[in-house]
Amino acid sequence: EIVMTQSPATLSVSPGERATLSCRASQSISSSNLAWHNLAWYQQKPGQSPRLLIYGASIRATGIPVRFSGSGSGTEFTLTISSLQSEDFAVYYCQQYADWPLTFGGGTKVEIK
Amino acid sequence: EVQLVESGGGLVEPGGSLRLSCAASGFSFSNYAMSWVRQAPGKGLEWVSAISGSDYGIWYADSAKGRFTISRDNSKNTLYLQMNSLRADDTAIYFCAKDSQGNGGHDFDYWGQGSLVTVSS
Repeated sequence: EIVMTQSPATLSVSPGERATLSCRASQSISSSNLAWHNLAWYQQKPGQSPRLLIYGASIRATGIPVRFSGSGSGTEFTLTISSLQSEDFAVYYCQQYADWPLTFGGGTKVEIK
Repeated sequence: EVQLVESGGGLVEPGGSLRLSCAASGFSFSNYAMSWVRQAPGKGLEWVSAISGSDYGIWYADSAKGRFTISRDNSKNTLYLQMNSLRADDTAIYFCAKDSQGNGGHDFDYWGQGSLVTVSS
């Protein structure tokens, strides 16, 4: 099983500031030529379902604002929120889909500083 | 508009059974794999099971193997999860999630609102 580890567990950020979230996989989740990365990011607000933000490590899903960006390859991935808006305070999860079972990271809670 | 509506959750005693349903609309249901993902109270997301669009592929998390059965009825645009031998640690919100592709094992581009399953005596 590929274990996904997210850090930090909680990130305190002021509105307008940049947030950087990390996700590490226990083994590579990228294709052998590093052309594709089997990683997604989701946002979940209290009482709501998760929402897909990023897939393929760096491709924004439909309707996702440009302030959300993803990067990384192999085992190290990053979600960056360039300028935090009030609606961005939530929990963020990464998910690998390189192999079964599909696995999620434990989440990073982005809270208001 | 894609909609996924779960139903069938509730309170069940340990060792009991429950069947969850997920009614899908707004997309060509048979063309996409579907999954169940659960979230225990105050915890993170855990993938439970997936089924390919055409039914040829079925996958389970170890926690679900031998106790849960995923199925789908493409004529009714409905996904199911039959859960047997339920335990207290199965208590969670169960989300139905649409795979972004047909053959399973990808990201989830749409999620239902979830159905709460509580296992307790």
